[in-house]
Amino acid sequence: DVVMTQSPLSLSVTLGQPASISCRSSQSLVHITGNTYLNWFQQRPGQSPRRLIYQISNRDSGVPDRFSGSGSGTHFTLNISRVEAEDVGIYYCMQGSHWPPFTFGPGTKVDIK
Amino acid sequence: QLQLQESGPGLVKPSETLSLICTVSGGSISSSNYYWGWFRQPPGKGLEWIGSIYYNGNTYYDPSLESRVAMSVHMPKNQFSLKVNSVTAADTAVYYCARHLSSNWEGPDSWGQGTLVTVSS
Repeated sequence: DVVMTQSPLSLSVTLGQPASISCRSSQSLVHITGNTYLNWFQQRPGQSPRRLIYQISNRDSGVPDRFSGSGSGTHFTLNISRVEAEDVGIYYCMQGSHWPPFTFGPGTKVDIK
Repeated sequence: QLQLQESGPGLVKPSETLSLICTVSGGSISSSNYYWGWFRQPPGKGLEWIGSIYYNGNTYYDPSLESRVAMSVHMPKNQFSLKVNSVTAADTAVYYCARHLSSNWEGPDSWGQGTLVTVSS
């Protein structure tokens, strides 16, 4: 199975400042179709996961444009341009290119400094 | 708007079978456009995929759980279900049902609220 790693595992950010989370996969996530199925999920405290980003960099409907995704191959990044209080939670990267199975990173906990 | 709701016992004894149902509203489980999946999250830990099922009954399970897991669809009730047998404390988790597209390999775009299942005598 593809192993997903994330860094850092914890991030404390001042309101209004940027944040960046790195995600790496043990194999290339380029699918036979040429697409790369790398998603980012946000899980706020006590809530279900919510998909923010699909195919590396496409924001889901309703996701603020302060969230952006980038990367290719085995290295991906989620950026938050200006952190707001509602962004507190755990962020997971997940690969679908080698489904089944879906595999998730360990998560990065974001809180406010 | 699509909604998914998990239901089932919150407490299961070791060695017994965990059974959960996901009821779908605002969309049809018989759609060929989607897979219906189960995920879980042990307390304080990350997300794990358990398996997914298609409307025609085709299933895909995580290899680590495949020998203990069974999923099925129940069209008339617009539901799908999960059974995990021979449970241990390691199966204690919040269980989520979710939907993902069948036309590509993206992760779920809709999730249920989750239900905590505790394995304990």
